[in-house]
Amino acid sequence: EAGVVQSPRYKIIEKKQPVAFWCNPISGHNTLYWYLQNLGQGPELLIRYENEEAVDDSQLPKDRFSAERLKGVDSTLKIQPAELGDSAVYLCASSFSAGELFFGEGSRLTVL
Amino acid sequence: RKEVEQDPGPFNVPEGATVAFNCTYSNSASQSFFWYRQDCRKEPKLLMSVYSSGNEDGRFTAQLNRASQYISLLIRDSKLSDSATYLCAVNGWAGKSTFGDGTTLTVKP
Repeated sequence: EAGVVQSPRYKIIEKKQPVAFWCNPISGHNTLYWYLQNLGQGPELLIRYENEEAVDDSQLPKDRFSAERLKGVDSTLKIQPAELGDSAVYLCASSFSAGELFFGEGSRLTVL
Repeated sequence: RKEVEQDPGPFNVPEGATVAFNCTYSNSASQSFFWYRQDCRKEPKLLMSVYSSGNEDGRFTAQLNRASQYISLLIRDSKLSDSATYLCAVNGWAGKSTFGDGTTLTVKP
């Protein structure tokens, strides 16, 4: 069975540029999460979807971050414009009925 | 105060040692509990779920103390391959998974 797939794995951009990350969850998993992880810290939730509905986006900086999960399957996380402090690893995870999480390999963003 | 807090570490132990990590959580309504392992520059992967009655998987034992709101992970007979960061995660009633900052373990020959 295929795991959670994320792309791109690495992205280097200059500040103020836009960037987008894509995630395809495990088939049948209704819950999809986007986390941000800084070095030496645990994953921090940005947004959680139940099917196509964003049920928890309280930690998403909505002035520059946006996300969508059309048709309740794959999802896109966008940052526009990116700031230096956005450099981090963006992790997508999925689960079935909010049980254990299965993570993708992550998208490592460097903002110069 | 963070919702989920872990021993800061790092833990440096010799092979064969027994090591224990603790994790405390602030939300008494938390529903389910997990330990994840994260290798350097890799994604977290589930190590084990933590059940109210405690559970064991080989050299790993996880325990939950709801009254004191903490979970623990015990690793016996440490192997070099156990070197990693161990993250605890707590799920709330609404399904939100909150992670601690992890405890780094290095097992030395």
